[in-house]
Amino acid sequence: NAGVTQTPKFRILKIGQSMTLQCTQDMNHNYMYWYRQDPGMGLKLIYYSVGAGITDKGEVPNGYNVSRSTTEDFPLRLELAAPSQTSVYFCASSYSSRRSSGNTIYFGEGSWLTVV
Amino acid sequence: TQLLEQSPQFLSIQEGENLTVYCNSSSVFSSLQWYRQEPGEGPVLLVTVVTGGEVKKLKRLTFQFGDARKDSSLHITAAQPGDTGLYLCAGVPQTGANNLFFGTGTRLTVIP
Repeated sequence: NAGVTQTPKFRILKIGQSMTLQCTQDMNHNYMYWYRQDPGMGLKLIYYSVGAGITDKGEVPNGYNVSRSTTEDFPLRLELAAPSQTSVYFCASSYSSRRSSGNTIYFGEGSWLTVV
Repeated sequence: TQLLEQSPQFLSIQEGENLTVYCNSSSVFSSLQWYRQEPGEGPVLLVTVVTGGEVKKLKRLTFQFGDARKDSSLHITAAQPGDTGLYLCAGVPQTGANNLFFGTGTRLTVIP
């Protein structure tokens, strides 16, 4: 299985440009997530989705948008890139997110984004 | 506000030494997980603990969940260079958002 695949791996954007980070998973997982990881910090949740057609904000959603038209795909859109969005972005998925079960989350390899 | 605080933030030790990494919070968690992340890759799950006081062992790694389910520790015995990486704890709060929140991370370097 490919697992969680995200593209591109690296991207440099100019301030004000827009772009979409693509994410797809082939594990038929209901839950998908987008995290960002800044140097020296843990991962922060941007948006998540519990199933096709449903999305919710995480800790740091400002400046981003998502959609979930299919179970497999969960793209992340940056509308007006800002230097503060320079970070490493991780897409992830899991079968469920039940509180007491301790679900396993599978991560993609990350997308390095620099806004200049 | 950081929900989960890890200490130390950086740790550099000699091969063969023992070490402990701590993950602390004022919140109660339904479950807590430990991940290991290598440069250029996403985090990979090591273990999940769900019961207060639970101890799990994974070869030379021992994970413990606090009795009150607010904290956890990771102990590595006889560290090896292959243990080098970023260790992240993550938990689902018992109340509030049903999401996984990550700690600040501990970057471990084991020197041969």
